[in-house]
Amino acid sequence: GDSVTQTEGQVALSEEDFLTIHCNYSASGYPALFWYVQYPGEGPQFLFRASRDKEKGSSRGFEATYDKGTTSFHLRKASVQESDSAVYYCALGDSNYNVLYFGSGTKLTVEP
Amino acid sequence: DTTVKQNPRYKLARVGKPVNLICSQTMNHDTMYWYQKKPNQAPKLLLFYYDKILNREADTFEKFQSSRPNNSFCSLYIGSAGLEYSAMYLCASRLGFTSAETLYFGSGTRLTVL
Repeated sequence: GDSVTQTEGQVALSEEDFLTIHCNYSASGYPALFWYVQYPGEGPQFLFRASRDKEKGSSRGFEATYDKGTTSFHLRKASVQESDSAVYYCALGDSNYNVLYFGSGTKLTVEP
Repeated sequence: DTTVKQNPRYKLARVGKPVNLICSQTMNHDTMYWYQKKPNQAPKLLLFYYDKILNREADTFEKFQSSRPNNSFCSLYIGSAGLEYSAMYLCASRLGFTSAETLYFGSGTRLTVL
């Protein structure tokens, strides 16, 4: 079945560091790929999406490029801030877009 | 208002007792979802309603029930809680089925079964 793998459970950085959170997927067909962010005490919220190979999604300084060849959608940000501390989820939409399947999440902690 | 509301925020239940969780949204979304989230695990889809049609995942088919009396409300029902049901339960809603439609999540209900 469709699945998403996030290899980093936790990432600790200092402000202005470069961020990479890895996301790899396994799916038949051509899934849509998403990043969601969850702040403490809140539910996950949509960050951005990409629907086709080589498409770049971006929001709030975060970006990721859909790579069908490597089945990846890695999240990057050039300079993180303390306010970026949150849990980040990679997700894929099945071919019918009925449901989203999520990765296990990566907790980002940014120290001032 | 893009809010999905879940009640209660925390719930304590005894083993063997029923549990009912509530979710509501006023965005007129036709699809509502329930996910189960345990520590260090991915949010796991339990079931979803498209309009009045209930779709349940195969591996949780017998463990969870749901009802949707109207477009705004959706409940998650556990007939007999076990310790393994302790988790965060996230409700989400979406308008439509295209990739352009995002999920809106509630803040969750943390269920503890003792």
